[in-house]
Amino acid sequence: DIVMTQSPDSLPVSLGERATITCKSSLSVLHSSNRKNYLAWYQQKPGQAPKLLIYWASTRQSGVPDRFSGSGSGTDFTLTISSLQAEDVAVYYCLQYYTNSYTFGQGTKLEIK
Amino acid sequence: EVQLLESGGGLLQPGGSLRLSCAASGFTFRNYAMSWVRQTPGKGLEWVSHISSSGESTYYADTVKGRFTVSRDNLKNTLFLEMNSLRAEDTAVYFCAKDSSAYNWYFDLWGRGTPVTVSP
Repeated sequence: DIVMTQSPDSLPVSLGERATITCKSSLSVLHSSNRKNYLAWYQQKPGQAPKLLIYWASTRQSGVPDRFSGSGSGTDFTLTISSLQAEDVAVYYCLQYYTNSYTFGQGTKLEIK
Repeated sequence: EVQLLESGGGLLQPGGSLRLSCAASGFTFRNYAMSWVRQTPGKGLEWVSHISSSGESTYYADTVKGRFTVSRDNLKNTLFLEMNSLRAEDTAVYFCAKDSSAYNWYFDLWGRGTPVTVSP
């Protein structure tokens, strides 16, 4: 299975500041046939289901604020929140869907400093 | 409204069996692959099983292979997970998740989850 490793595990950020979460896959998730990275990002708030933020590594889901952005290719990916808002406090997960055996990162807990 | 609603969770002893259901509404269920994902208390997310839009192809995590069976009824817009030989480590909240396509792509809709507790 592809192992997804996120860093950091916990990230304290001041309101209005930039938050950056990284996700590294043990194998490339860039598909040669369509040049797409099979990588998504999710936000999960306490007691709620995960919510899709980003897919194909950099495509923002409809309705997601533009302060959220994704980047990267191959094995190294980044989720960036340009200006942290109070409602962004949550756990963030990356997901690879390159193989039939999906794997998630272990999660990054984003909190207010 | 587009939604997924899981049911069937509960408390049971090791070795027991349980059948989870996920009722879909607001979209053409038969056009999309579906998955089950679980989350252990205080821990992260673990993909459990995936089924193609037609139901012909199924995939399982190694941790549940041979014990869990995924199926779907496209006439009743319902996804199922049959769980047998349950272990304490199967204790989790089980989410059903809609694939964004008929293929193995990302999940774009999740249910609220149903809790399963396996304890003596």
